[in-house]
Amino acid sequence: GQQVMQIPQYQHVQEGEDFTTYCNSSTTLSNIQWYKQRPGGHPVFLIQLVKSGEVKKQKRLTFQFGEAKKNSSLHITATQTTDVGTYFCAGWPSGTYKYIFGTGTRLKVLA
Amino acid sequence: SAVISQKPSRDICQRGTSLTIQCQVDSQVTMMFWYRQQPGQSLTLIATANQGSEATYESGFVIDKFPISRPNLTFSTLTVSNMSPEDSSIYLCSVWEDRYIQYFGAGTRLSVL
Repeated sequence: GQQVMQIPQYQHVQEGEDFTTYCNSSTTLSNIQWYKQRPGGHPVFLIQLVKSGEVKKQKRLTFQFGEAKKNSSLHITATQTTDVGTYFCAGWPSGTYKYIFGTGTRLKVLA
Repeated sequence: SAVISQKPSRDICQRGTSLTIQCQVDSQVTMMFWYRQQPGQSLTLIATANQGSEATYESGFVIDKFPISRPNLTFSTLTVSNMSPEDSSIYLCSVWEDRYIQYFGAGTRLSVL
């Protein structure tokens, strides 16, 4: 079946270091969305990417959608302790109505 | 943005019992969604709840185990029936707004002993 894998599964970084999570789909995605879930919290929508090769920025966060629309990345510059949480990508495989979440990347930031 | 009130926020239940989770949205929505998030895992869609019709369940989830009600356009309940320790998870309801932003309730953290 359709799968959306994220790597790494876990990442520990020192505060101030950069962080990147990669999202890889087995099939083309019509669009991709990113969520952040703080420890003990619920997923919160961050952004949507629609176009092939699209890049969007939100302050220290940079989101990219691959040219083939099968992968995406989230890059955080100079991490802060407030960045702690699990980051999920999600989207609809092209031609389907089934919304799929990625496996998630758990980020810990050490002060 | 949609505001979703979900309750209870957490519960500890005995095996064999049932728990009903409620979600209230501050606006009328056609569809509401119920997810399960097992410890340390991603989100899995349980079912889609439409007002006035039976819920649509995803593969691996059945109505007898997870009955859903949707009495109006702002409210839905999910019942976890005949619970076992394997049902210990976070249960989340969600709605979509503007066709691409998904909002979640705060979740119900369920532990089954």
